[in-house]
Amino acid sequence: GNSVTQMEGPVTLSEEAFLTINCTYTATGYPSLFWYVQYPGEGLQLLLKATKADDKGSNKGFEATYRKETTSFHLEKGSVQVSDSAVYFCALSASNYQLIWGAGTKLIIKP
Amino acid sequence: KAGVTQTPRYLIKTRGQQVTLSCSPISGHRSVSWYQQTPGQGLQFLFEYFSETQRNKGNFPGRFSGRQFSNSRSEMNVSTLELGDSALYLCASSLDPAGRETQYFGPGTRLLVL
Repeated sequence: GNSVTQMEGPVTLSEEAFLTINCTYTATGYPSLFWYVQYPGEGLQLLLKATKADDKGSNKGFEATYRKETTSFHLEKGSVQVSDSAVYFCALSASNYQLIWGAGTKLIIKP
Repeated sequence: KAGVTQTPRYLIKTRGQQVTLSCSPISGHRSVSWYQQTPGQGLQFLFEYFSETQRNKGNFPGRFSGRQFSNSRSEMNVSTLELGDSALYLCASSLDPAGRETQYFGPGTRLLVL
């Protein structure tokens, strides 16, 4: 079946540090891949997505590349800010009308 | 364009009661999905509707049900509430009938069962 595994948190970084949050997936076929972010007390917001192999999604300084050979979709940002503190979810969408979610990674950025 | 709206935002119920949550999708979106979010289980898929038809259902007991109206608005109902039903219930809408495109989420309804 389809599944998503992402690194456990919390991840604590200092402001301006480099961020990587690992995400790997198992899926049949060719899923679309997503990163969503959830700020405290809020719903989920789409951060970026990629719909086919080698696609790079990017938004607000965050990037992730759809790597079919390693079944990965790691999230990166070159210089994090305190305002990036949130929970980040990796997800995939196959052809059965649902998103399969990772467990979420809490990111804490210290000034 | 207005986003996904969910009502009510907060709800307190007691065990054994039932509850109905409402979701209005983004205008033009005909696919509506529901998810349950808890600290222990994370995000779990409940069901998805498109044009008033349930196309997929997650692994939840029959106490959880939903429906979609002709204007794409959706409701979910939980009967005979249990303490474990306390959660954030998230609704998402999508434009893509194939179910592979971006889902846009509402702010959620936080349900507390006492």
